[in-house]
Amino acid sequence: NAGVTQTPKFQVLKTGQSMTLQCAQDMNHEYMSWYRQDPGMGLRLIHYSVGAGITDQGEVPNGYNVSRSTTEDFPLRLLSAAPSQTSVYFCASSLGTGAYNEQFFGPGTRLTVL
Amino acid sequence: KQEVTQIPAALSVPEGENLVLNCSFTDSAIYNLQWFRQDPGKGLTSLLLIQSSQREQTSGRLNASLDKSSGRSTLYIAASQPGDSATYLCAVRHRRFYGGATNKLIFGTGTLLAVQP
Repeated sequence: NAGVTQTPKFQVLKTGQSMTLQCAQDMNHEYMSWYRQDPGMGLRLIHYSVGAGITDQGEVPNGYNVSRSTTEDFPLRLLSAAPSQTSVYFCASSLGTGAYNEQFFGPGTRLTVL
Repeated sequence: KQEVTQIPAALSVPEGENLVLNCSFTDSAIYNLQWFRQDPGKGLTSLLLIQSSQREQTSGRLNASLDKSSGRSTLYIAASQPGDSATYLCAVRHRRFYGGATNKLIFGTGTLLAVQP
């Protein structure tokens, strides 16, 4: 199993540009989520999905869109990039949200918005 | 609102020493607690997950304990090695009022561990 994969690893955008961060998992996990990690603030939940066709907002959803058309993929879209979205983005997945379900994280995408 | 704190923010120890990392949370209504390791520029690697009904979990040289009533968890690392150098993060999954889990992990800001050879 490749686990959770993310592309690209690095990206530089100009303010106002749009892009999609890709996330895929091959573990047949129902639950997937996106976090951003900023210095001094820890990881914060952006959006999550409990299964194909079902998504919901997390703690910091503004400026981001998601969709979940398949179990494997959970892309994160930046509609109009802003410097405040400069961060490291992590995708995570787990079998479910039950008490024994560990979350597994991808390697991250480091995004810089100029 | 659940808050997770990890103190100290950084810790340096000589190789071979046993050490304890601390994690505190403000609301004891948690579903589970997970410890992660993060190497520089990398993603998070899950180390241990403790259910709210458990007191501790062990994996190799790692032992994690949970005391819900005091809002504390510790990660004990035995016989530390330079390869243990990393940032260690704890995260809690909060319990909803009806008993189910919420859909997010609440993270602490981590402890940066350096093990000196």
